Amino acid sequence: NAGVIQTPRHKVTGKGQEATLWCEPISGHSAVFWYRQTIVQGLEFLTYFRNQAPIDDSGMPKERFSAQMPNQSHSTLKIQSTQPQDSAVYLCASSSWGVQNTLYFGAGTRLSVL
Amino acid sequence: SQLAEENLWALSVHEGESVTVNCSYKTSITALQWYRQKSGEGPAQLILIRSNEREKRNGRLRATLDTSSQSSSLSITATRCEDTAVYFCATDSNYQLIWGSGTKLIIKP
Repeated sequence: NAGVIQTPRHKVTGKGQEATLWCEPISGHSAVFWYRQTIVQGLEFLTYFRNQAPIDDSGMPKERFSAQMPNQSHSTLKIQSTQPQDSAVYLCASSSWGVQNTLYFGAGTRLSVL
Repeated sequence: SQLAEENLWALSVHEGESVTVNCSYKTSITALQWYRQKSGEGPAQLILIRSNEREKRNGRLRATLDTSSQSSSLSITATRCEDTAVYFCATDSNYQLIWGSGTKLIIKP
């Protein structure tokens, strides 16, 4: 079991460019979460899928952020027209059920917007 | 507003000593989780303690939960340099985990 895999580990974009972040959850896990981590804001919830269906996206900035889970083996987080304030570590986690169970995190993708 | 928070921003102890990290929360919970995050890694769960449990152990780690005071503690005995990390408590709220801001623990040789 390789754990949750996130790619790329680092991504640098220019202001206004698009960034797509990838997550491969642990096989058999039905819940997938995306979080954003910064020094100032800490860990912020973005969105949650269960059995590939979007359940809660209340943490997603509505205009430029979108997340999808086209199949059970991967999820993507897309940020359009990236801004410097989007610079953060984006973390993906999976769980066998939900937040009442253990969340297994990937190592994260560090996004730097210049 | 933050629903879970650790009480200290940073702690430093010498290797071999014991240390306790405290956490308070503000809503009713079904479970509280302690995670550790080392530099360059995602958080890794240490202990999950459910609301009907008062104490849980995992090797050198011991977590307590007091639902009346809405507080929890994580104690580490016989600390090692590799315990250096940021420690978070997290509580469940609907579909989200609500995270504290973390306590940075530094273990000095």
